[in-house]
Amino acid sequence: GENVEQHPSTLSVQEGDSAVIKCTYSDSASNYFPWYKQELGKGPQLIIDIRSNVGEKKDQRIAVTLNKTAKHFSLHITETQPEDSAVYFCAASRGEGAQKLVFGQGTRLTINP
Amino acid sequence: SQTIHQWPATLVQPVGSPLSLECTVEGTSNPNLYWYRQAAGRGLQLLFYSVGIGQISSEVPQNLSASRPQDRQFILSSKKLLLSDSGFYLCAWKPGGARNGYTFGSGTRLTVV
Repeated sequence: GENVEQHPSTLSVQEGDSAVIKCTYSDSASNYFPWYKQELGKGPQLIIDIRSNVGEKKDQRIAVTLNKTAKHFSLHITETQPEDSAVYFCAASRGEGAQKLVFGQGTRLTINP
Repeated sequence: SQTIHQWPATLVQPVGSPLSLECTVEGTSNPNLYWYRQAAGRGLQLLFYSVGIGQISSEVPQNLSASRPQDRQFILSSKKLLLSDSGFYLCAWKPGGARNGYTFGSGTRLTVV
């Protein structure tokens, strides 16, 4: 089955700097890669996703890149703000059937003022 | 618009007691439904998923079971709780057949004492 590895487990950056979180996946048939943000005590919220027919996607300060050959994808947050502090999860799934998402272990991002 | 409801928000149960967590989705029909568990400081582990009424697939053999008695209702149960069942339980849904990310509920914090 699919296995998703996420790094780093914790990340601390100064406000205004950029943050990058990386994930690798094992199943070459995976074709959908979402990123979730989880604030303390809440359920994860989808912040951006990318499909395998696209190499990069951007939404304001957030961007995701995908390298299908290397089977890795990354989340980039620019001009970080204190409200970006949260746990971020990457995930991967195939596009058929129940479309089960397999999640990485999460990255705790702390933005220092 | 679609909304997902999950209750209760917190629960403290003694070892050996039964469990019933409920999740309902509004504003859609025939959704895919999922139960995940998140142990403290850990990633999200898929427990059960359902693509239709009465159709339940289990990902991890354990002390829990799931049922889908109605199209938009998903229930997580246990006959006798173990200490190891403590965690943050999350229900999620997505449109059936669509290659989209999940929408998560707000979660239930279960502590088994």
